[in-house]
Formats: sequence, C-alpha cells, structure tokens
Amino acid sequence: NAGVTQTPKFRILKIGQSMTLQCAQDMNHNYMYWYRQDPGMGLKLIYYSVGAGITDKGEVPNGYNVSRSTTEDFPLRLELAAPSQTSVYFCASSFGQGAYEQYFGPGTRLTVT
Amino acid sequence: GESVGLHLPTLSVQEGDNSIINCAYSNSASDYFIWYKQESGKGPQFIIDIRSNMDKRQGQRVTVLLNKTVKHLSLQIAATQPGDSAVYFCAENGDKVIFGPGTSLSVIP
Repeated sequence: NAGVTQTPKFRILKIGQSMTLQCAQDMNHNYMYWYRQDPGMGLKLIYYSVGAGITDKGEVPNGYNVSRSTTEDFPLRLELAAPSQTSVYFCASSFGQGAYEQYFGPGTRLTVT
Repeated sequence: GESVGLHLPTLSVQEGDNSIINCAYSNSASDYFIWYKQESGKGPQFIIDIRSNMDKRQGQRVTVLLNKTVKHLSLQIAATQPGDSAVYFCAENGDKVIFGPGTSLSVIP
C-alpha cells in the first residue's frame, strides 16, 4: 500500500490565485482529514470527512473548500490565496473515529506571496 | 475550552539517556490518547497509544503513562538515540481529535 499520498510537495502561489491540493489513500479508510501546520506550531484541523459525500468543518475552515466524491480522494481547494495561508498542509486518514490512529501524508509546503 | 498542551516546548537529551515528554489535557471525556512522532520534513507517525482504562502501556523503548486524576500524559523514551530527534505530539480522541502543540526533542551525540 502507498498509504496517504499528497501532491504537489511544494507550491508557490501569488495572492489571489487558486489551487487544489490533492490527497489520496489506498487503505479504504472512511475518515479523512486536512490539517495545516504553521512553523513551530501544532496541527490545526481545516476540514474532515467521515465518508464519501460527507464533509464537515474543522477548527480553521475559512478560505478553503473540500469535496469527497470517492472513498480514496479528498482534495482541498484554495480559491483566493492569501499570505495567511502560507503553511504546510497535511492530509490524514483513519479507519474510524475514536480509538483509531491517523495515517498522515508527507505534506504540501505552500507559500503565498 | 478543550485543549491539549505540552509543558516543555523543547527538550535536549544526551544520547543514551532517557527522555520524558509531558502533555496535559483538559477534556476528561477523552478515552483514547496517541503519541505521534514527526521527523523534519515528514508527516506525523504513530508511536504508541493508550486507552483511558489503562495507566501504562509499553512499546519498544517507549512507555506511555496516563494519569487521569491530573489529566496528564507522558511519553518516556529509553536509551534515547539520535534517530529519536523529532517533534512529538500528543493527541486526545474524544468526540474529536485534538493535537497538542508539540515538543521538539534534540538528542546530543
């Protein structure tokens, strides 16, 4: 299994540009998550999904959108990039809620200038 | 509000010594706790977990202790090695998962 994969690894955006961060998992996990991690900080939950067709907001959803059309894929969309969105973005998945660990992707480092 | 915090943001340990990383949590309803290790440039990886009905769990060179009375979690790493240098996060799983801010562990050769 490849686990959780993310593309791209790095990206530089200009203010106002849009992009989609891709995330895929091949473990047949129901739950998927998007986090952002600012330098020297912990993880903040942006959005999560409990299954295909179901998404919900996390702690910091403003400026982002997600969709979950399949179990495998959970893309994160930035519509109008702002410098405050400069961060490292991690996608994760888990079999369920509660007593289940999360499996993380390698991250996407995004810079907005 | 709910929070998971760490007492020490950075920790430097001599190679071969034991490391102890602490974590405080405030949601008494959380019933599952996980420690993750994040190496530089990588995503967090599971190290060890513990359920709320336990107070200690041991893995290979790692031990997690849970004190529900004071809502405290700790990760002990025995015979710390250079490869243990990383940021360590605790996470509590209740009705949602909350990650702490992390502790950076540096191992001095």
